[in-house]
Amino acid sequence: SQQGEEDPQALSIQEGENATMNCSYKTSINNLQWYRQNSGRGLVHLILIRSNEREKHSGRLRVTLDTSKKSSSLLITASRAADTASYFCATDARGSARQLTFGSGTQLTVLP
Amino acid sequence: GAVVSQHPSRVICKSGTSVKIECRSLDFQATTMFWYRQFPKQSLMLMATSNEGSKATYEQGVEKDKFLINHASLTLSTLTVTSAHPEDSSFYICSGPQGAYGYTFGSGTRLTVV
Repeated sequence: SQQGEEDPQALSIQEGENATMNCSYKTSINNLQWYRQNSGRGLVHLILIRSNEREKHSGRLRVTLDTSKKSSSLLITASRAADTASYFCATDARGSARQLTFGSGTQLTVLP
Repeated sequence: GAVVSQHPSRVICKSGTSVKIECRSLDFQATTMFWYRQFPKQSLMLMATSNEGSKATYEQGVEKDKFLINHASLTLSTLTVTSAHPEDSSFYICSGPQGAYGYTFGSGTRLTVV
């Protein structure tokens, strides 16, 4: 499965600032999901946006999707030190039998 | 929510030995399970898709004889790394699709081959 690209690869910000991560993918999708992974741990699902949606909110998270550009962004507002983790986008491509293709990930560090 | 229990969380084995990793779906039936591999500071790469009662589907470049997958019941899928070598050291994660759009992930297994 081909990976999507995420940028930046690493992001370091101060607590209270906003963090924006971008994801690009290659194929037509059913939906795009964002996951969080703490070092050496499993993945935690954050938010899912369907291909016919353009924006979605969940708490401090805001996700956008532009299917014409095959890109998505994840915005974390008012970041906290506990938000420090790796963030991955993943696409559920059409015709993929539910296989997820993950982006390359962004390592977010929130400094207290 | 649905839970996938993955064991062991961490294993160290000697070169040449085999290691079995189990993923159990605790409160849902998993007809399909996905197995991923993750190298340090990298993303998850799909290795194979296991299907209950039938042969697994392997991604290109993944040796089926080395990474044996068994999905004999609706609640258990196993990945066995046979004749392990140091280059097999990695983080292995299973995932079960749930509902129309969701997925639930195991907590991962850190394999170190010495």
